[in-house]
Amino acid sequence: GENVEQHPSTLSVQEGDSAVIKCTYSDSASNYFPWYKQELGKGPQLIIDIRSNVGEKKDQRIAVTLNKTAKHFSLHITETQPEDSAVYFCAKKNSGYALNFGKGTSLLVTP
Amino acid sequence: ETGVTQTPRHLVMGMTNKKSLKCEQHLGHNAMYWYKQSAKKPLELMFVYNFKEQTENNSVPSRFSPECPNSSHLFLHLHTLQPEDSALYLCASSPLLRQGANTGELFFGEGSRLTVL
Repeated sequence: GENVEQHPSTLSVQEGDSAVIKCTYSDSASNYFPWYKQELGKGPQLIIDIRSNVGEKKDQRIAVTLNKTAKHFSLHITETQPEDSAVYFCAKKNSGYALNFGKGTSLLVTP
Repeated sequence: ETGVTQTPRHLVMGMTNKKSLKCEQHLGHNAMYWYKQSAKKPLELMFVYNFKEQTENNSVPSRFSPECPNSSHLFLHLHTLQPEDSALYLCASSPLLRQGANTGELFFGEGSRLTVL
């Protein structure tokens, strides 16, 4: 259906390490997969997105990979910094007009 | 400063009150959305408006009533709410929508934190 499963729900890493968040979905029609970052007291902000015609996209320390066959996509953050601490949401385009979101991953980067 | 402004930022209301949440976007977008964010749950889509026309109502109870007078403004009218309606209500906007086409980036406001006593 329209749901997106996101794991883990919480993630703690040391500064400088990498963080990986994974999402899975079930319908085959989805073709757009964004990731949002939400800092405390703010609304979610888009950090990176990928369309179904590519398998990987990178923007500095952030990368997203997509496996359409297996119906999963992942966010990779390298060389993590304390300011990366936030809640991260994966999402996918639904069959209507809008996005369906995962439950979120609370990332904590400790110095 | 965000391009999407929501007021009020915090609201406490009783179950018999009537209140409204307001959203304004300064980005020239044509689509606006209401999402509900509760703890431990995914963001839940409530309503979508495209060129002032409601295109999606995600089985939202009638105690929530949206209004979109123009492409820049969106309201959520609240009446006889329940304590379980306490949540962060997020407004978002995006450029023109076409069904089945890429949504494009959603620009979110900072939300209105609602507490129903």
